[in-house]
Amino acid sequence: EDKVVQSPLSLVVHEGDTVTLNCSYEVTNFRSLLWYKQEKKAPTFLFMLTSSGIEKKSGRLSSILDKKELFSILNITATQTGDSAVYLCAVNQAGTALIFGKGTTLSVSS
Amino acid sequence: DSGVTQTPKHLITATGQRVTLRCSPRSGDLSVYWYQQSLDQGLQFLIQYYNGEERAKGNILERFSAQQFPDLHSELNLSSLELGDSALYFCASSVYLRLPNTGELFFGEGSRLTVL
Repeated sequence: EDKVVQSPLSLVVHEGDTVTLNCSYEVTNFRSLLWYKQEKKAPTFLFMLTSSGIEKKSGRLSSILDKKELFSILNITATQTGDSAVYLCAVNQAGTALIFGKGTTLSVSS
Repeated sequence: DSGVTQTPKHLITATGQRVTLRCSPRSGDLSVYWYQQSLDQGLQFLIQYYNGEERAKGNILERFSAQQFPDLHSELNLSSLELGDSALYFCASSVYLRLPNTGELFFGEGSRLTVL
């Protein structure tokens, strides 16, 4: 059965901390892996990864994919309260649909 | 604002009832996807329509059905509702029939269904 597993399920940190969110997958016909941020409403796109070892960066967020070990990590440095959200990992399966993990709920306290 | 519009935003109904959720995709997008997000299951793919035709099915129950109209808006019909159907239902759109490697979907803000 195709699956995407995220860990931890929830995380509480203080402002300024660095966090690492994990995503492992077992999905047939893998095309790409995507990260989304969800703040109470619609998920918004963060990153798309297709190749191993290439780090994507956007400000304080970065992500990398390991296609051999079938996982990805999302790093957030110098966290801010505005980073509090659910972070979703999804795999594009053969262009048919996105298979999502259950998400990691990040809470950043000031 | 993603450009995807969903109505209603909130809906409360009773078990056994039937509801219809509506989605208007972004201008120019031909694909509409429906997802269900519940606390224990996360975001689950239900069904995809492209230019009026059903193209892919996920974990959609037989009590649920969908359609896409000539103007490309889509409706998700949920019938014989059960308590477990309470969830956030998202619509997402894309211009493509098949998701490219970017796989980016544009999500609406969801319709929250509560079944009492």
